[in-house]
Amino acid sequence: EDKVVQSPLSLVVHEGDTVTLNCSYEVTNFRSLLWYKQEKKAPTFLFMLTSSGIEKKSGRLSSILDKKELFSILNITATQTGDSAIYLCAVHLLHNAGGTSYGKLTFGQGTILTVHP
Amino acid sequence: GAVVSQHPSWVICKSGTSVKIECRSLDFQATTMFWYRQFPKQSLMLMATSNEGSKATYEQGVEKDKFLINHASLTLSTLTVTSAHPEDSSFYICSARLAGTSPPGETQYFGPGTRLLVL
Repeated sequence: EDKVVQSPLSLVVHEGDTVTLNCSYEVTNFRSLLWYKQEKKAPTFLFMLTSSGIEKKSGRLSSILDKKELFSILNITATQTGDSAIYLCAVHLLHNAGGTSYGKLTFGQGTILTVHP
Repeated sequence: GAVVSQHPSWVICKSGTSVKIECRSLDFQATTMFWYRQFPKQSLMLMATSNEGSKATYEQGVEKDKFLINHASLTLSTLTVTSAHPEDSSFYICSARLAGTSPPGETQYFGPGTRLLVL
């Protein structure tokens, strides 16, 4: 069974702190790993990672994938209250069912990040 | 660009009734749409993959007769929760994949979600 596990499940920090969110996976037919941020409504895309060891960066957020150890981390530096959200890790995999192959996302449980002023 | 809408954004219904939720890609064509369910403080669970013009593929444990999916055009998919019960109360989110692309990420766009409460 395909599994995506995130840790910690929740995290409370103060503004200015740096946080590291973890995502490990055990799946067949891995294609890519994605990070999303979810506030009150739909998830918004952050990063897509396909290759090991190549850091992706966007402002204060960065992420890296280790395909040998099957995990990824999402770093947020100098956190702000606006970073408070659920951070979701998802693995895109190729699923075979009934003779048909199709891609699907399997999500982890999410990490609830709360940043206090 | 690449906006996905859902309608309604929230709905309250009585137990036993059916509820239809629409997912539309507003400015792009989507051959594939996905339906997810999310319970409070939990992650998104994929319910089914919907391909335009063909039958949906349901995930294990999802009752196809209870959650009817129709993907009649390249811009519209509908999810009908039939004979809804209180345990069906949840947040339902759709996503749409831009036609002609393979991996998700930038090319898979999420709708704002529909909150369903069954009394």
